[in-house]
Amino acid sequence: DAGVTQSPTHLIKTRGQHVTLRCSPISGHKSVSWYQQVLGQGPQFIFQYYEKEERGRGNFPDRFSARQFPNYSSELNVNALLLGDSALYLCASSLALAGHYEQYFGPGTRLTVT
Amino acid sequence: GQSLEQPSEVTAVEGAIVQINCTYQTSGFYGLSWYQQHDGGAPTFLSYNALDGLEETGRFSSFLSRSDSYGYLLLQELQMKDSASYFCAPRGYNTDKLIFGTGTRLQVFP
Repeated sequence: DAGVTQSPTHLIKTRGQHVTLRCSPISGHKSVSWYQQVLGQGPQFIFQYYEKEERGRGNFPDRFSARQFPNYSSELNVNALLLGDSALYLCASSLALAGHYEQYFGPGTRLTVT
Repeated sequence: GQSLEQPSEVTAVEGAIVQINCTYQTSGFYGLSWYQQHDGGAPTFLSYNALDGLEETGRFSSFLSRSDSYGYLLLQELQMKDSASYFCAPRGYNTDKLIFGTGTRLQVFP
């Protein structure tokens, strides 16, 4: 079975631009979460979506938004990019909304803002 | 509030045993996950403890004491490929939100 996939792999944007990152969960997984990982730090939770509804949001500004589609894939959108948004953006999927299901991470999208 | 503490770095030689400790403070605690991340790679799930005690998965074991808000990851028969960052990540009820700290960088030497 294919794991979590993310696109694109790498992305370079300019300050002020907008970016859309995409994630496809493992087949059968209904929960998708997004994380931001800055170099040298652990991943920081941005959003969780389950059954197309937002179920959790981390401490990120409103410039960050996301959605989940009927096929459970997800998009993360970031508007008005800042230099500090440069990071690895990770998507993770799990079977259901519960604390005891494993989360599987995708390879991430490396975003560089210049 | 929430807090998470792990040693920043641990070094060991091949074949040795290493223990990475984790203390946490978080509301709505449900269980403790452990992830491994190689440089440039994605976090990989290693182990999960929902109950007190030891969980063993091959060369890796993880322990949890809910009353002490403490856990550890034990890596046995260390191999060079175990050189990576290790994160403990508490999780809450009815959520997939994982809380990561800065992790522990393990370096294994020949």
